[in-house]
Amino acid sequence: SQWGEENLQALSIQEGEDVTMNCSYKTYTTVVHWYRQDSGRGPALIILIRSNEREKRSGRLRATLDTSSQSSSLSITAAQCEDTAVYFCATDAYQGGRALIFGTGTTVSVSP
Amino acid sequence: EAAVTQSPRNKVTVTGGNVTLSCRQTNSHNYMYWYRQDTGHGLRLIHYSYGAGNLQIGDVPDGYKATRTTQEDFFLLLELASPSQTSLYFCASSAEGLGNQDTQYFGPGTRLLVL
Repeated sequence: SQWGEENLQALSIQEGEDVTMNCSYKTYTTVVHWYRQDSGRGPALIILIRSNEREKRSGRLRATLDTSSQSSSLSITAAQCEDTAVYFCATDAYQGGRALIFGTGTTVSVSP
Repeated sequence: EAAVTQSPRNKVTVTGGNVTLSCRQTNSHNYMYWYRQDTGHGLRLIHYSYGAGNLQIGDVPDGYKATRTTQEDFFLLLELASPSQTSLYFCASSAEGLGNQDTQYFGPGTRLLVL
């Protein structure tokens, strides 16, 4: 696998709290994609951070990338119930053809 | 927004059965992909294609064939299905290729059960 373990498999929080999830990768990448997957649906891209960026924001989402430690994080500020989903990170780690490699995902559950 | 559709949404077959999963994208994307999703493994790439008639091998191709008949249509074939192929299958498309900092758009998935 190209991936180290994502730090947390599942997170349960209450509305209004902030949440951060992490992932690490083993080989060089030029970009980290973060996807979210709602129950019964396919993954959808929510934020993409390139290797020349340390931080990227999109609404209540904040992604960071530390190429020296080969890790990325995704934070959600003031989580809402509709943020409940599985969040995946993915990199373009080279595998004899530059594959998009997905992590195993972090399940985030936000309760009222 | 890119539209990717898959059929069927659910499929049950028996060991040794023949299954074809279909995918269509309507955004003139060059690249199409087939993934399987299993608990503890995330999404794993089976096959992908960068155009009609082209096929590239992914990370977990054993037991699967695929065919890209047109720019819009990409099929995944299981000719001798086995219980280990019970999974949730996703098709995706993108304008550019893998790892090209490009968004992949996913279909809704097909849940396959092999008895």
